[in-house]
Amino acid sequence: DQQVKQNSPSLSVQEGRISILNCDYTNSMFDYFLWYKKYPAEGPTFLISISSIKDKNEDGRFTVFLNKSAKHLSLHIVPSQPGDSAVYFCAASDWGTGGFKTIFGAGTRLFVKA
Amino acid sequence: DGGITQSPKYLFRKEGQNVTLSCEQNLNHDAMYWYRQDPGQGLRLIYYSQIVNDFQKGDIAEGYSVSREKKESFPLTVTSAQKNPTAFYLCASRGLAGGEGEQFFGPGTRLTVL
Repeated sequence: DQQVKQNSPSLSVQEGRISILNCDYTNSMFDYFLWYKKYPAEGPTFLISISSIKDKNEDGRFTVFLNKSAKHLSLHIVPSQPGDSAVYFCAASDWGTGGFKTIFGAGTRLFVKA
Repeated sequence: DGGITQSPKYLFRKEGQNVTLSCEQNLNHDAMYWYRQDPGQGLRLIYYSQIVNDFQKGDIAEGYSVSREKKESFPLTVTSAQKNPTAFYLCASRGLAGGEGEQFFGPGTRLTVL
């Protein structure tokens, strides 16, 4: 029972173009949605987040869009750079009975070609 | 420098042995988490702790144990009861005040059972 789904295991984009990574979720009670970036053999690093009461958050080249009615969010990277090549995890958080928990998707591997 | 350290980076264990993975943070964060990552999968929550001397089971706690005697430390023991312990283990922490739930991750420990 995956509450957070990233249906594309990989994505290849040309340098300078837009990268769009997608994520779907099933639990309408999630409070926050986050994107993390991960390089091989390293821990993930936080990239950008959005509260469930917003529909867009922008930080430099990165923008996250939230569509609550569709239970869908996306991460846009413009322009894409070779250094953006990594695995991107979508995550969702809420306060459950045991405390604050985060559920991660399976990740999408982004390749940015020079 | 503030951050999270995990040791060792690589760990080999014989079947039937217990092994303890270290996680230390100097970020003054209250909450700490342990995740497991397997190839092609997202991060799955093993255990988490919101405050000292308290911890909760995550989604895949069977075969694992933790302790939280100090705010800075959250060691994970992989016991012989864990059927498939070979994986990449990630520790994370989060401050309870403010933010949108972002977690800070350590560099990870790769455990291999021989």
